[in-house]
Amino acid sequence: DAGVIQSPRHEVTEMGQEVTLRCKPISGHNSLFWYRQTMMRGLELLIYFNNNVPIDDSGMPEDRFSAKMPNASFSTLKIQPSEPRDSAVYFCASSLAWRDSTQYFGPGTRLTVL
Amino acid sequence: GDSVTQMEGPVTLSEEAFLTINCTYTATGYPSLFWYVQYPGEGLQLLLKATKADDKGSNKGFEATYRKETTSFHLEKGSVQVSDSAVYFCALTSGTYKYIFGTGTRLKVLA
Repeated sequence: DAGVIQSPRHEVTEMGQEVTLRCKPISGHNSLFWYRQTMMRGLELLIYFNNNVPIDDSGMPEDRFSAKMPNASFSTLKIQPSEPRDSAVYFCASSLAWRDSTQYFGPGTRLTVL
Repeated sequence: GDSVTQMEGPVTLSEEAFLTINCTYTATGYPSLFWYVQYPGEGLQLLLKATKADDKGSNKGFEATYRKETTSFHLEKGSVQVSDSAVYFCALTSGTYKYIFGTGTRLKVLA
């Protein structure tokens, strides 16, 4: 299996622009997670999907952030408008089952907002 | 709420030295415990896990034992290599989807 695929790997944009991050989970996994990693705050869970349905979005920092999972093989995280404080590495992870299951992380997207 | 506390890094060791990275946790119920490793420029990957008290997880020479009495899950390796240089995360999940990750401990191994 190819593992969790994320694109782009690097994104540099200017403040105010819309940013879309993409994720393809491992085939057959029914849970998907979006995380954000920064030096100051460490690893934060942004949103969790189970069977394509958002279950917990309490970690989404504000209304500028939105996430969708239109089908079992694709998810997006959108930031509109972007701000410099959104600069971070964003990880997507998927798992086979939602209870005590190993999470498989993608390589991440490094976002820089100027 | 549930929490994980890891020792502060960075930890700098010479090759072939013994490694211990401390991890303690607070949780309700009976959590499963994990160690993840993050190599530079990559995502986190599972290193080992233990799902009940006294279980020992092991992989690639690393070991950790689930100690309920001390609420600990310390990571150990008898002889580290330069290739072990990475950031190590302790994590728990209490039977739900939500992982609680520690802040990570950076390990640097010198040749």
